[in-house]
Amino acid sequence: DQQVKQNSPSLSVQEGRISILNCDYTNSMFDYFLWYKKYPAEGPTFLISISSIKDKNEDGRFTVFLNKSAKHLSLHIVPSQPGDSAVYFCDISGSRLTFGEGTQLTVNP
Amino acid sequence: DVKVTQSSRYLVKRTGEKVFLECVQDMDHENMFWYRQDPGLGLRLIYFSYDVKMKEKGDIPEGYSVSREKKERFSLILESASTNQTSMYLCASSFGGGGTPYEQYFGPGTRLTVT
Repeated sequence: DQQVKQNSPSLSVQEGRISILNCDYTNSMFDYFLWYKKYPAEGPTFLISISSIKDKNEDGRFTVFLNKSAKHLSLHIVPSQPGDSAVYFCDISGSRLTFGEGTQLTVNP
Repeated sequence: DVKVTQSSRYLVKRTGEKVFLECVQDMDHENMFWYRQDPGLGLRLIYFSYDVKMKEKGDIPEGYSVSREKKERFSLILESASTNQTSMYLCASSFGGGGTPYEQYFGPGTRLTVT
């Protein structure tokens, strides 16, 4: 029973435009939500997080939105840059550690 | 800077061999994790440890065991390697308290091929 789903395996956007990556979860007991970025041949690196008591957290070009009623998490990157091209994983954490399948983002110059 | 190192970047083993993957972290983290990453399946948790000599099964522990004799070192053991264990193996560590809850620091990964 998959508790976390990233429904888009890939996303392609133009440089300067907004990238929106999505993540849906099933268990409302999770209390912390994180996004990681992974380049090829490297381990994932932490990007941004949000706790369940908030609905938005911003860090520079990256904003994470949490819609608890819809059990939906999204990451907005604006403006997107070619260096943002990577696989993005959402991590829905609490008593269990559960990553999504990942979304490959490609930002075209 | 937190550093998590893994003993090998690439490893090729034969079916039936016993395989040891080593992970070391230098930030005195309480928690350590082993994942495997496969296309379309994301990161799946194999085992984790919240303290020395303590281990907990993750989502896919079958065919694996772990050892944590020292706080900084967490080893993953494939008792008898099989071809379906060909994968990218990622080790991670995190603080037990303070900082961003649950934020994990990952090693560079070990690409294991079992032939």
